[in-house]
Amino acid sequence: AQTVTQSQPEMSVQEAETVTLSCTYDTSENNYYLFWYKQPPSRQMILVIRQEAYKQQNATENRFSVNFQKAAKSFSLKISDSQLGDTAMYFCAFMKHVNQFYFGTGTSLTVIP
Amino acid sequence: GAVVSQHPSRVICKSGTSVKIECRSLDFQATTMFWYRQFPKQSLMLMATSNEGSKATYEQGVEKDKFLINHASLTLSTLTVTSAHPEDSSFYICSARVGRDQPQHFGDGTRLSIL
Repeated sequence: AQTVTQSQPEMSVQEAETVTLSCTYDTSENNYYLFWYKQPPSRQMILVIRQEAYKQQNATENRFSVNFQKAAKSFSLKISDSQLGDTAMYFCAFMKHVNQFYFGTGTSLTVIP
Repeated sequence: GAVVSQHPSRVICKSGTSVKIECRSLDFQATTMFWYRQFPKQSLMLMATSNEGSKATYEQGVEKDKFLINHASLTLSTLTVTSAHPEDSSFYICSARVGRDQPQHFGDGTRLSIL
């Protein structure tokens, strides 16, 4: 079975600083996809970034980047120049096949002004 | 692109009422949509996978007769909570994918409160 683990239930960061959220997963598959979703207080789930397992290059989206370590089954999210609007729950997600999508338990991030 | 609309955003109703929640893909066709339930400060729990033109696939422990899912078109899936009770109060979220290897795009969610 696939599992996604986020070991940091809560984190905080000073505005403009950098923070890294951890995610590890367990799978025997070689081809899969990884995602980070953000859920602000409004509760809408927003896709932040995605990574294909077959790509060695780490994905980057503006202030958001990932450190994908396939051998270690690690997929951390780095947020640079943190902004108040980054305050949200962050969920790591793993997708194997067409309809098999697994979420981690989430990390609550608070950006402190 | 890839906008998913969910309606209503909030429902408050009496115990015993049936409540219908709609999930629409606005700018793409979705042969498959997903329904999740989320408890406060917890992750999303997949309830069922909604397949256009066929029966939904329910996760273990989810009552099929309690949570009726209909996916009548490529852009619309509905979740009906039948004879709702206070324990059904929760946040329900739908999602859809543009294509096979694409991420899920989520609706804004529906907060259901049963009195």
